Amino acid sequence: GENVEQHPSTLSVQEGDSAVIKCTYSDSASNYFPWYKQELGKRPQLIIDIRSNVGEKKDQRIAVTLNKTAKHFSLHITETQPEDSAVYFCAAPYSSASKIIFGSGTRLSIRP
Amino acid sequence: DTGVSQDPRHKITKRGQNVTFRCDPISEHNRLYWYRQTLGQGPEFLTYFQNEAQLEKSRLLSDRFSAERPKGSFSTLEIQRTEQGDSAMYLCASSLLRLEGGNYGYTFGSGTRLTVV
Repeated sequence: GENVEQHPSTLSVQEGDSAVIKCTYSDSASNYFPWYKQELGKRPQLIIDIRSNVGEKKDQRIAVTLNKTAKHFSLHITETQPEDSAVYFCAAPYSSASKIIFGSGTRLSIRP
Repeated sequence: DTGVSQDPRHKITKRGQNVTFRCDPISEHNRLYWYRQTLGQGPEFLTYFQNEAQLEKSRLLSDRFSAERPKGSFSTLEIQRTEQGDSAMYLCASSLLRLEGGNYGYTFGSGTRLTVV
């Protein structure tokens, strides 16, 4: 069925430390895995995505890794800053060219 | 503004009334999606269009909900006989599905916050 599971639901890290958020998906045909950041009262915004033909992608302090065999993908944020505080959502398409299903979100708090 | 626009931003309605929301996607995007988001949850899929064709409608969507995209550009989402459980943020997003296949990232609008009293 359509399912994307996301953990943890809340995460608090010290400023400067790293944060990792993990997701699993159910549809083995999924080929595109975006991550969205949503600040309070604002729209979700795409921050990074990865396609199934690569195992890792980096963009400055953020990176995403993909394990197709295990159907896991993860978001890594290094050198966290206060502005990283937000809710992060992973997502995956139910089929290769269909709508995307969102995880339940991780509320990330950066402690000063 | 070349982003996704939604109107209105906020809507308060009495239970039993009908409401209609509008979404204007990014002009070159051929796909348009409607999602619903309640507090503390991820966006929940409602329906999507490719050009003017409605390709899928969530089983969670009752018959009181209907969406249109008559000319393959803007879309409307109508909720008839609103209930308190319909209170949520209704998000529209658009994306480009290219001929060579594959999804590309959604661009979301700011949403319409519906409160049913």
